[in-house]
Amino acid sequence: EAEVAQSPRYKITEKSQAVAFWCDPISGHATLYWYRQILGQGPELLVQFQDESVVDDSQLPKDRFSAERLKGVDSTLKIQPAELGDSAMYLCASSPGQGKETQYFGPGTRLLVL
Amino acid sequence: KQEVTQIPAALSVPEGENLVLNCSFTDSAIYNLQWFRQDPGKGLTSLLLIQSSQREQTSGRLNASLDKSSGRSTLYIAASQPGDSATYLCAVYNQGGKLIFGQGTELSVKP
Repeated sequence: EAEVAQSPRYKITEKSQAVAFWCDPISGHATLYWYRQILGQGPELLVQFQDESVVDDSQLPKDRFSAERLKGVDSTLKIQPAELGDSAMYLCASSPGQGKETQYFGPGTRLLVL
Repeated sequence: KQEVTQIPAALSVPEGENLVLNCSFTDSAIYNLQWFRQDPGKGLTSLLLIQSSQREQTSGRLNASLDKSSGRSTLYIAASQPGDSATYLCAVYNQGGKLIFGQGTELSVKP
């Protein structure tokens, strides 16, 4: 069964350092999402891509976060510089079409900023 | 602004009990509603998706209902097992296709 892949699974970094996460969606899925989940809370959308274009990045802290999906397939989320409050689980999801179908989630990257 | 609330935040039951998890949302103009399961430190697994025109969906021991007019959904788990222990998340798709999550209910099923 096809799955969303994410790496790394765990990342420990010091504040002010740069960190990057990678996501490979299910093959053929046009829509890709990045979510942030703080411990004890539900995930919150950071950015949504339709193919290679950003559809929604209204909740992305653009002073330190960036995301790209250059060829409309895999995607990278970057944080520079990392802050203590960025410690969270970062989840990637994909869906086949325009974004109103079921979203399929990857295993997530757990980030700890020291 | 759509808000999703799940009650209770945590629940502990003995094995074999039937249980209900509750989810409420403030804006009834939703597209779909979805229930997810999340094991500690892991990603989300989709359990059930209810389209806005549907009243309920069933999968095995799970049954999810949707009442759009009252802004409520319930997830019913029959004959609970220790393997059901996890956090259960409710999420609604708004008309724009954005997924809004509740904070989850942490379920513990004791042997």
